Formats: sequence, C-alpha cells, structure tokens
Amino acid sequence: DAGVTQSPTHLIKTRGQHVTLRCSPISGHKSVSWYQQVLGQGPQFIFQYYEKEERGRGNFPDRFSARQFPNYSSELNVNALLLGDSALYLCASSLWGGGTGANVLTFGAGSRLTVL
Amino acid sequence: RKEVEQDPGPFNVPEGATVAFNCTYSNSASQSFFWYRQDCRKEPKLLMSVYSSGNEDGRFTAQLNRASQYISLLIRDSKLSDSATYLCVVKAAGNKLTFGGGTRVLVKP
Repeated sequence: DAGVTQSPTHLIKTRGQHVTLRCSPISGHKSVSWYQQVLGQGPQFIFQYYEKEERGRGNFPDRFSARQFPNYSSELNVNALLLGDSALYLCASSLWGGGTGANVLTFGAGSRLTVL
Repeated sequence: RKEVEQDPGPFNVPEGATVAFNCTYSNSASQSFFWYRQDCRKEPKLLMSVYSSGNEDGRFTAQLNRASQYISLLIRDSKLSDSATYLCVVKAAGNKLTFGGGTRVLVKP
C-alpha cells in the first residue's frame, strides 16, 4: 500500500508568485491535514479537510487556501508568496471520528518550498 | 504563551544512558497526547501515544501529569539511532492536533 504522497518534493518560487501543492492520502483515509514547518520549529497546523469540507483552520492568512477532491486527495494553494512562506509543507492523512485512529497522523515526505 | 512548549535542546546523551524530557501544554481541556519522532529533513512519525496511567514501548516510557499539564518521554539505554527530534503533540477539542517545537536529542558514542 502506498503511503501519503506529496508533489512536488522541491520547488523554488519568487515573491508574489502562486504555488499549488498536492497530496494523496493513504487508501481508506478520508481526512487530510496540512502543516507548515519552518526550519527549526515544529509543524504548524494550516487546514484539515474531511469529505471535501474544511473542518479546521489554523492561524494563517487568506493567501492560504485548500480543497479536497472526491477521491480524498487535496491541494494547498498559496498566493502572493512571501519570503517567510519558505518552509516544508507537510500533508497528513488520518481516519475520522472519535476513535483512536482519528488521532494518528501519517505524514507524507513533504514539499519543500523556497521563496526567493 | 504557546499552546505546547518543549525544551529545544539539544540533549547530548552518551550511548547507553537514560534521557528524559518534558512538554507542557496550556489547554487544561486537552484530551489526547502523543510523541512523534522526526529525523533530520524527514517527515514526523508517530512514536507512541500517551495514556493517563503512563505507558511503555520497549525502551521508551511516556507519562502524563494532568494536574501540572505536562507529558514526559524517557528513553532508556539510548542508541545512536535514537538521535532525532522528538515532537510533543496535543489534541484539544475538535480534531486539530497541535505540535510543540520539538526537543532535539543527540546520542553520542
């Protein structure tokens, strides 16, 4: 079984550009979460999606948006890139609901974004 | 105050020694607690959940102190392969999991 897959793995953009990051969850996982990890810090929660609906949002500006597709894959979009957006963007999939499995995140390898 | 705080370290540990470190959380309504491990330039991976009565998984022991709002991780008989960043994760109401900044552990021969 494939794990969580993310693309692209690395990308370089310039300030003001737009970026789209993609994520495919583990088969059977219907929830996808996005995290931003700046070098030397822990992952910061951006969004969580379940059944194509946003179920949670972190403290990020409106330049950040996301969506989830019927096959449970997800995209994270960032507009008007700033230097400070340079980070590792992690996608994690999980089950949903009150069970233990809903608390366990399985991460993809991440998309490393550099903004120049 | 940050929701989840950790000593960033690094904790320099001789091989075979024991190391322990804590993580404090600010929301007294937090319900679930976890330790994740992250190797350099890799993604975080679940190490273990933390149960109210404390739990062990091999050389790793996790404890929860709700009164003082912290969790701890103890590593016995440290191996070189234990060198990593250990991330404390807390779940409050809803499904959002909040990560601490991580504690870096370096095990040296």
